[in-house]
Amino acid sequence: DQQVKQNSPSLSVQEGRISILNCDYTNSMFDYFLWYKKYPAEGPTFLISISSIKDKNEDGRFTVFLNKSAKHLSLHIVPSQPGDSAVYFCAASAKNNFNKFYFGSGTKLNVKP
Amino acid sequence: GAGVSQSPSNKVTEKGKDVELRCDPISGHTALYWYRQSLGQGLEFLIYFQGNSAPDKSGLPSDRFSAERTGGSVSTLTIQRTQQEDSAVYLCASSPPGVRGKDTQYFGPGTRLTVL
Repeated sequence: DQQVKQNSPSLSVQEGRISILNCDYTNSMFDYFLWYKKYPAEGPTFLISISSIKDKNEDGRFTVFLNKSAKHLSLHIVPSQPGDSAVYFCAASAKNNFNKFYFGSGTKLNVKP
Repeated sequence: GAGVSQSPSNKVTEKGKDVELRCDPISGHTALYWYRQSLGQGLEFLIYFQGNSAPDKSGLPSDRFSAERTGGSVSTLTIQRTQQEDSAVYLCASSPPGVRGKDTQYFGPGTRLTVL
């Protein structure tokens, strides 16, 4: 039973436009969320995180939004660049076991020039 | 560089054989994780080491899987009597000591295991 779900396996966006990647979770104990980016043949790299005490965290072109009531988070990339083309994973951990992370299946983003 | 390294990068083995996968974490990182990613799936947590504490083995899928971490540094993931469903990319990550929220995981490039 996957506790973190990314229902869109792929997304294609034009350069300069906004990319919105979505993630849903089921465990109400999750209180810390992260996004990772993965290029082919490389390990994932950390992108941005958010604690459940916030509903938004921004870092440059990347913003993560958290809707706790809907158990939903999203990653916004604006403006999108071709170099953003990668697989994006969301992950979550719970306050009672915060070193154990649950990952979604990933969304492959393609930013077209 | 000083990133997480894993070896081998690719491993092809026959069903029933044992395999060992190695992870060299970033120096000074106290936490070490093993994940696997099967085709079309997310990263599946396998095991977590933190300092000298007992590891969290709750993600190991069967008793054919084991891992150890020697001297608080290098880790080896061993899969005995491999099965075709073990085919996946096995990823190792480490993270530095610190308060929660700062414990970003740094991933290695992974080992792609193929069981024929």
